[in-house]
Amino acid sequence: EDKVVQSPLSLVVHEGDTVTLNCSYEVTNFRSLLWYKQEKKAPTFLFMLTSSGIEKKSGRLSSILDKKELFSILNITATQTGDSAIYLCALFFYNQGGKLIFGQGTELSVKP
Amino acid sequence: GAVVSQHPSWVICKSGTSVKIECRSLDFQATTMFWYRQFPKQSLMLMATSNEGSKATYEQGVEKDKFLINHASLTLSTLTVTSAHPEDSSFYICSAARESTNEKLFFGSGTQLSVL
Repeated sequence: EDKVVQSPLSLVVHEGDTVTLNCSYEVTNFRSLLWYKQEKKAPTFLFMLTSSGIEKKSGRLSSILDKKELFSILNITATQTGDSAIYLCALFFYNQGGKLIFGQGTELSVKP
Repeated sequence: GAVVSQHPSWVICKSGTSVKIECRSLDFQATTMFWYRQFPKQSLMLMATSNEGSKATYEQGVEKDKFLINHASLTLSTLTVTSAHPEDSSFYICSAARESTNEKLFFGSGTQLSVL
């Protein structure tokens, strides 16, 4: 069974804090690991990671993949209340028609 | 950017009725679409892969006779929840890619189904 595990499941921080969200997995036959932010409805794309050790950055968000240790992290610095959301990581399987298998998500709540 | 439209955004129905949800790719052709279900405080669970012109591929544990998927054209896939029951109440969301091997998936806005 393909398994993607995220931790923590929920997190409450104050504005300005830095958070690190974790995503670990047990399979290796995927092509990419993706991070999404889900606020109310549809997930919005954040990062796609294909190679190990290369950090992707977008503003206050950054992410990196470690294929040797089978995990990825998503960092958010100087958090804002607008960062409150569920953050999902997912594995993309090229050889299975392009399906995504999601982790349980981390619910982040940023307090003023 | 590519847009995927999902309709309706929410629906309330009586137990035993059937509900159809549509997923359309508005500016690209999608040979493959995916249907997910999300219960409150849980992640998106893949239900099935919808392939244009062929039968859908269902994930383990998903009843294909209950969740009917039709992908009759390159821009439209439908999910019909047949004989819906309260336990089917959930958030259903579709996604599509320009190419089936492209991880840049675009998601619909989702459908919140409530079965009374």
